[in-house]
Amino acid sequence: TQLLEQSPQFLSIQEGENLTVYCNSSSVFSSLQWYRQEPGEGPVLLVTVVTGGEVKKLKRLTFQFGDARKDSSLHITAAQPGDTGLYLCAGVRTGGFKTIFGAGTRLFVKA
Amino acid sequence: DTAVSQTPKYLVTQMGNDKSIKCEQNLGHDTMYWYKQDSKKFLKIMFSYNNKELIINETVPNRFSPKSPDKAHLNLHINSLELGDSAVYFCASRPGGAHGYTFGSGTRLTVV
Repeated sequence: TQLLEQSPQFLSIQEGENLTVYCNSSSVFSSLQWYRQEPGEGPVLLVTVVTGGEVKKLKRLTFQFGDARKDSSLHITAAQPGDTGLYLCAGVRTGGFKTIFGAGTRLFVKA
Repeated sequence: DTAVSQTPKYLVTQMGNDKSIKCEQNLGHDTMYWYKQDSKKFLKIMFSYNNKELIINETVPNRFSPKSPDKAHLNLHINSLELGDSAVYFCASRPGGAHGYTFGSGTRLTVV
């Protein structure tokens, strides 16, 4: 059983479409991060959220941390082929100190 | 000027051999990590060092031994390699608090 469940596992869409990927848990997290990993490279940090209900925007990417700090979403507007990659969420549970990673959502954007 | 650099990028070796992976960070971060990413892309922490002191040691076979000569370096030595050790190993660092990781580009280890 994974502490951070990501959905969907795979997503293949056309350029220009919008999409949302989710990161859910039954545990409360003190902070949560999103990363994007491209083939042959390490994950690259996109954002860190720490406050329940927080919304952060990074160009066409919108990140939201749930009010109860148990879940998060990543919305991409007008996806481009350059958005293709593995999206990972990771977080530290309240009271803990180890970061837990989700299994990732593999996104493929077709031109 | 790579922030977290690890070498080698690829490592192919026979079962039973001993090998090392090196990692260096120039970000001035106090904490460094080794992660293992399996074939399903799941990242699992192996070790964490804070300013040369071991602070996280997950359930990893004792054939794996990390060494941190200073806070900018964290190397991973693996003895008696097994087929199941094949994976991508990532070094990472981060400052304290809720900040995220900076990862290296990974070492793909293949044991044959």
